[in-house]
Amino acid sequence: GAVVSQHPSRVICKSGTSVKIECRSLDFQATTMFWYRQFPKKSLMLMATSNEGSKATYEQGVEKDKFLINHASLTLSTLTVTSAHPEDSSFYICSAKTGTTYEQYFGPGTRLTVT
Amino acid sequence: EDKVVQSPLSLVVHEGDTVTLNCSYEVTNFRSLLWYKQEKKAPTFLFMLTSSGIEKKSGRLSSILDKKELFSILNITATQTGDSAVYLCALGFSGYALNFGKGTSLLVTP
Repeated sequence: GAVVSQHPSRVICKSGTSVKIECRSLDFQATTMFWYRQFPKKSLMLMATSNEGSKATYEQGVEKDKFLINHASLTLSTLTVTSAHPEDSSFYICSAKTGTTYEQYFGPGTRLTVT
Repeated sequence: EDKVVQSPLSLVVHEGDTVTLNCSYEVTNFRSLLWYKQEKKAPTFLFMLTSSGIEKKSGRLSSILDKKELFSILNITATQTGDSAVYLCALGFSGYALNFGKGTSLLVTP
């Protein structure tokens, strides 16, 4: 149980284009989903927290107009990187939780490369 | 400034060795401390600690939290090559967001 999927696992896009990444909880309802970014040999950096049906809460320094997050249902959240630039190239991981536990279940991540 | 500091940053041991990974922190207003194992992609949950001094154990892995000295340790006994991974420590705050340390990269050699 507690499986989270992400799609795509890897994407290459040209500078200036937008990319959408999907995060799905496959066997549970995720009241809250989180989006992280991870640079090589660095830790997971929280970008935003999204609760189903409400606007995402972004961490300081994360541009909400650049990283659009939608959490339309209890099993799906999307992260759209708009007008991507090479510096947006990174590993993006989502996680999901339910209820009042702190335990989060992570997706397998999406490797974004912007050329 | 890092709220969660893990040490060592990397470690190489031989199969069968016992390792102790450290996680220290400077804040006290967290709700839980969590340990994750990250191999190639998604971190997988290991332990969640909320109370000081109570050891949690799962097979060869165990962990304990010391709220007085502001640290937690993760012990792995009789290490195996499959234990090779990055071990992440995170603090959970209100709102359920996790603040991760940089991780300890463990390599277990045959």
